[in-house]
Amino acid sequence: GAVVSQHPSRVICKSGTSVKIECRSLDFQATTMFWYRQFPKQSLMLMATSNEGSKATYEQGVEKDKFLINHASLTLSTLTVTSAHPEDSSFYICSARDLSEAKNIQYFGAGTRLSVL
Amino acid sequence: GENVEQHPSTLSVQEGDSAVIKCTYSDSASNYFPWYKQELGKRPQLIIDIRSNVGEKKDQRIAVTLNKTAKHFSLHITETQPEDSAVYFCAASEAAAGNKLTFGGGTRVLVKP
Repeated sequence: GAVVSQHPSRVICKSGTSVKIECRSLDFQATTMFWYRQFPKQSLMLMATSNEGSKATYEQGVEKDKFLINHASLTLSTLTVTSAHPEDSSFYICSARDLSEAKNIQYFGAGTRLSVL
Repeated sequence: GENVEQHPSTLSVQEGDSAVIKCTYSDSASNYFPWYKQELGKRPQLIIDIRSNVGEKKDQRIAVTLNKTAKHFSLHITETQPEDSAVYFCAASEAAAGNKLTFGGGTRVLVKP
């Protein structure tokens, strides 16, 4: 099956710093990638849809200046948490949809656990 | 927007028994319904999916049923095994909404040996 690589898997940072998370589709092209946030024992909440070559579409309540998304190529999307604060600590997961598939299957990365001190 | 409700939130079954998880959705335009399994600290893995033009789909011990009229779909796991223990998420997606997935709240399944 398709593989999505997400890095880093774990980040611990000081309050006020920015953190960049990468999401790569390794063996397929993806014009669309998705970024989710997952709190402990809770569901996946869609933050934004990342579109290759255009601006990301953010869900209601998600600050676009806080969570910067860049989708510069068909295989890479990045999420930057700017000026991170303890309340940003969470598990962030990306997913990508295979262009070549007629199905709407989303393949997930392994997630990034962000801890802001 | 779409809203997906999932029940139960936790499910404990004896090994060998069946497990059933139910989801309802609100948007009648949704046309794709995947189920994901997530083990602790790991990525969600697609286990089965169904499209709105099909009422039922089966893959070995796993089956999914869809009732478009009632806007609900269910996951059935038969002959459960300890390795089935995980959190299961249902989701709904609609092409016109950019194919984004709206997830249910999840069901924590524990299969007791």
